[in-house]
Amino acid sequence: GAVVSQHPSWVICKSGTSVKIECRSLDFQATTMFWYRQFPKQSLMLMATSNEGSKATYEQGVEKDKFLINHASLTLSTLTVTSAHPEDSSFYICSAVIPGQNNSPLHFGNGTRLTVT
Amino acid sequence: SQQGEEDPQALSIQEGENATMNCSYKTSINNLQWYRQNSGRGLVHLILIRSNEREKHSGRLRVTLDTSKKSSSLLITASRAADTASYFCATNRIQGAQKLVFGQGTRLTINP
Repeated sequence: GAVVSQHPSWVICKSGTSVKIECRSLDFQATTMFWYRQFPKQSLMLMATSNEGSKATYEQGVEKDKFLINHASLTLSTLTVTSAHPEDSSFYICSAVIPGQNNSPLHFGNGTRLTVT
Repeated sequence: SQQGEEDPQALSIQEGENATMNCSYKTSINNLQWYRQNSGRGLVHLILIRSNEREKHSGRLRVTLDTSKKSSSLLITASRAADTASYFCATNRIQGAQKLVFGQGTRLTINP
């Protein structure tokens, strides 16, 4: 149980285009999802907290107009990288928590490798 | 924001040996969690230890927590080649429910 599916697993796009990454909770409803970014051999940096039915909460230094987050249903959050540039190339990972479970771990998707050429 | 630090950054041992990884953090926490990440994949939760616990076991894993020193350790006993991965600690601050802050990770290599 507690499966999180992330799609696509990798994507290559041209500079200036936009890319959408989907994060789905398959067997539970997730009112809250988290989006992380990870550079090679580095840690995960929290980008934003995605809240179902309301605006996402962005971490300091993350451009909300650059990284659009939509959490329109209890099982889907999307991250859109707008006007992508080569420096946006990274590994993006989403995670979700089962609501109502105090001290419960996060359940992660398998990540999306974004390469901007 | 707090930032966890793990050491060593990289560890290479022979199969069958024990592997110990350490994590330090800076602020008060609600719990500390350890995750594993295979190359190019998402993270898998290994074990969670609450701030009022000192030690926890799960199979070949043993986690300790010393809140006075703001540190934790993860011990993997009788290591296997399949344990090769990166290991991250993550802390959950009291006021930040489910919002985890990850350490830098330890890249563990188990040599057959």
